[in-house]
Amino acid sequence: EAQVTQNPRYLITVTGKKLTVTCSQNMNHEYMSWYRQDPGLGLRQIYYSMNVEVTDKGDVPEGYKVSRKEKRNFPLILESPSPNQTSLYFCASKWGSTQTQYFGPGTRLLVL
Amino acid sequence: DAKTTQPPSMDCAEGRAANLPCNHSTISGNEYVYWYRQIHSQGPQYIIHGLKNNETNEMASLIITEDRKSSTLILPHATLRDTAVYYCIVRVDGSSNTGKLIFGQGTTLQVKP
Repeated sequence: EAQVTQNPRYLITVTGKKLTVTCSQNMNHEYMSWYRQDPGLGLRQIYYSMNVEVTDKGDVPEGYKVSRKEKRNFPLILESPSPNQTSLYFCASKWGSTQTQYFGPGTRLLVL
Repeated sequence: DAKTTQPPSMDCAEGRAANLPCNHSTISGNEYVYWYRQIHSQGPQYIIHGLKNNETNEMASLIITEDRKSSTLILPHATLRDTAVYYCIVRVDGSSNTGKLIFGQGTTLQVKP
């Protein structure tokens, strides 16, 4: 089944403790991206990747890092999480020039 | 990318057609109309897209006016599981763009028994 998976789905952590949220897709998509969703602010793009080893900042990249060492994976790294990064995170992927994007199930993060 | 305007909420009776409007009066000739939905805190789900012709797939139909300034998403037989926030997004297709989807406030569709 074609899908985007994220792990973990739920995470409670404390300020400053490094964490990684993994994202994997099995559709051989070149493009992958990360969004965060907050009440009243909608979905905002954090980072995106056009292909392996090619990443770029979205609208809200501060406090996040990403890497794209292989096509199927696009992990989101929070080196020193802060409470304002408490949010619902979504990974997405797509093929080529289309805007038909496939989203993962989401990761709900709480930073205390 | 053109801005879109959608009603904040709509109700629909189960089994009836749900017609969700979207205004995009500043759309340019190469911009597509995409529809996504988000069922309570799940990942957004692609529904359908079109440029200027009407489109239909297994989920829905998309009707775009001749001047392309507005469109309507039609769910022909709404079920309770179609209760969600529906987003109309106007985007240019192209491999060089950021791929960013701008999700506005959308329309919350409530399907009632």
